[in-house]
Amino acid sequence: DGGITQSPKYLFRKEGQNVTLSCEQNLNHDAMYWYRQDPGQGLRLIYYSQIVNDFQKGDIAEGYSVSREKKESFPLTVTSAQKNPTAFYLCATRDAGQVYSNQPQHFGDGTRLSIL
Amino acid sequence: GDSVTQMEGPVTLSEEAFLTINCTYTATGYPSLFWYVQYPGEGLQLLLKATKADDKGSNKGFEATYRKETTSFHLEKGSVQVSDSAVYFCAATGYSSASKIIFGSGTRLSIRP
Repeated sequence: DGGITQSPKYLFRKEGQNVTLSCEQNLNHDAMYWYRQDPGQGLRLIYYSQIVNDFQKGDIAEGYSVSREKKESFPLTVTSAQKNPTAFYLCATRDAGQVYSNQPQHFGDGTRLSIL
Repeated sequence: GDSVTQMEGPVTLSEEAFLTINCTYTATGYPSLFWYVQYPGEGLQLLLKATKADDKGSNKGFEATYRKETTSFHLEKGSVQVSDSAVYFCAATGYSSASKIIFGSGTRLSIRP
């Protein structure tokens, strides 16, 4: 989706290093999400945010952290506590906040993270 | 809890064959339903959607009908092309958590020339 920018496209992490993946959107959507996708697998939810300054853990939050200081931005930090970070990371947005919505999610092009 | 189940892949077909990828859901209330497509190395793209019972979503020759009585949303295409080779995900809005969408595990489709 043109309205969601993930950067960088490829990222390499050294042992013991924290890295931050960027996700920026200009769709004016309230909700933002981070997913992890392993090769040949489906999506697993890491964190999501329904509104600025608030976020919730998803199914696999351990070893990750997020912030939501601006509506447009939802960066994901992969910490050194995440022992197996190699994966494809997808950011998504949705025109839904804390109320029920029938709107779909929109996805960025992803960041591929590898261990050096 | 809410869940989406779709047929396991990989599915391999010859060009111009008829495609069906099954999807069923378990959800409270009346979820909206979606099909997404993922090409290699890319994010997910919304393929089609349906927001109420008996709605038919359609796009690029793909169709899916929201069947409340069978809680299904099967994806169909009458004549597939090599360019349709991708991973397809079925998804439903979650009722218990307003912002979450529940995804199926994905079905890899390969089309032989």
